[in-house]
Parts: sequence; C-alpha cells; structure tokens
Amino acid sequence: GENVEQHPSTLSVQEGDSAVIKCTYSDSASNYFPWYKQELGKRPQLIIDIRSNVGEKKDQRIAVTLNKTAKHFSLHITETQPEDSAVYFCAASNSAGTGTASKLTFGTGTRLQVTL
Amino acid sequence: GAVVSQHPSRVICKSGTSVKIECRSLDFQATTMFWYRQFPKQSLMLMATSNEGSKATYEQGVEKDKFLINHASLTLSTLTVTSAHPEDSSFYICSAYRYGYTFGSGTRLTVV
Repeated sequence: GENVEQHPSTLSVQEGDSAVIKCTYSDSASNYFPWYKQELGKRPQLIIDIRSNVGEKKDQRIAVTLNKTAKHFSLHITETQPEDSAVYFCAASNSAGTGTASKLTFGTGTRLQVTL
Repeated sequence: GAVVSQHPSRVICKSGTSVKIECRSLDFQATTMFWYRQFPKQSLMLMATSNEGSKATYEQGVEKDKFLINHASLTLSTLTVTSAHPEDSSFYICSAYRYGYTFGSGTRLTVV
C-alpha cells in the first residue's frame, strides 16, 4: 500500500518568512495530493491540492509543487503569519476527480509555529 | 459546498459500554465513507472504508467486531465502538467521498 513520509515534524519560522514542508510517496499510481491544515481538536481543512497532471499550483501565499519522477511534493507558504500556526498534513490517493474513492494516506504531520 | 455533519462532538463513556458516532452528508450523496482515528499529536490513521449497502473494509490491525460500521444509505454512516476501553479514547473523524473528500467535525471519545 501507499506510504507517505513527511518532513520536518516541527518547523518554527519568524513572521514574514517562508515555510516549506516536504512529502514523499511510494505508490506510483497515486494521482491526487492534498494538503490539510488542522487546528487542535478540529477537522482537517483542505488548503490546496494538486493532481498528477500538474507540476505546480499556487493560491495566494500557498503553493504546492509535485515531482512525479522523484515521487515527492512540497508545500510552500510565503509571508507567514501567526494564524498560519497549526499542524499541516500531506496526503496521497489515486482518486483524482473520479467517482470511485480510494483512501487518503496521510503523512505524519508538521507542526508549524510562526513567531512574532 | 459539501458538508458532513458528525455527532456527537464529544462523548465520555464508561469502560465496557458502547458508543455510536454518526456522520451525515447534508447536501450530497456519499458513495464512500472513510473512518479515521487520530491519537494526540499523531496523524490520521484509516480504520475502515465503507460503501453504501455493503460491508466495510477494515485496515489491518483494526478489529471489525469492536468497531462496527454501518453505511445504510448514501447520506448516513455510523461507527459503533463496542465494549469501549480507555485505550479506545481518541479523536474519531469521518470523511465522505463524492468527487472529493469532505471531513466531519470529529468526535472526541473519552473512555473512563
């Protein structure tokens, strides 16, 4: 089955700096790679996702890059703000936009702390 | 947008009793429901996958007789934790799928 590794486990940045979180996956059939932000006791919130036919996607301060050959994808947050502090999870599945669901396999999570 | 309602949000039960958690997709029909468990400071671990009208598929190491999943309709799935013990205390969260994954708000289960 799919295995998703995520690094780093914790990340502390100063407000305004950039943060990068990296994930690798093992199953070449995976074609959908979402990123979630989770605050304590809350549901994971989708912040951005990318499908395997795209190499990069950007949404304001957040961007995701995908390297299918190397089987890794990264989350980039620019101009970090204190409200970006949370736990971030990457995930992978092979359900990109189809009506058939495949399970999401989550990475181990990154605790991001944005300090003033 | 797609909404999944999960209840209860918090529950405390005595050891040996059973607890039922409900997830309803409010504005769409979910072909598949995923159930996850999340221990403190850990990732979401898939417990089982259920499709409407069929038996759930459990992940390795998850006891199907302890965690009963019923997916009776395209809008309702339930997870029953039977004979709960303190080690079952965790955050349980469902995810309904229909062209995308929509998460419920989670249930914090504490077994005392």
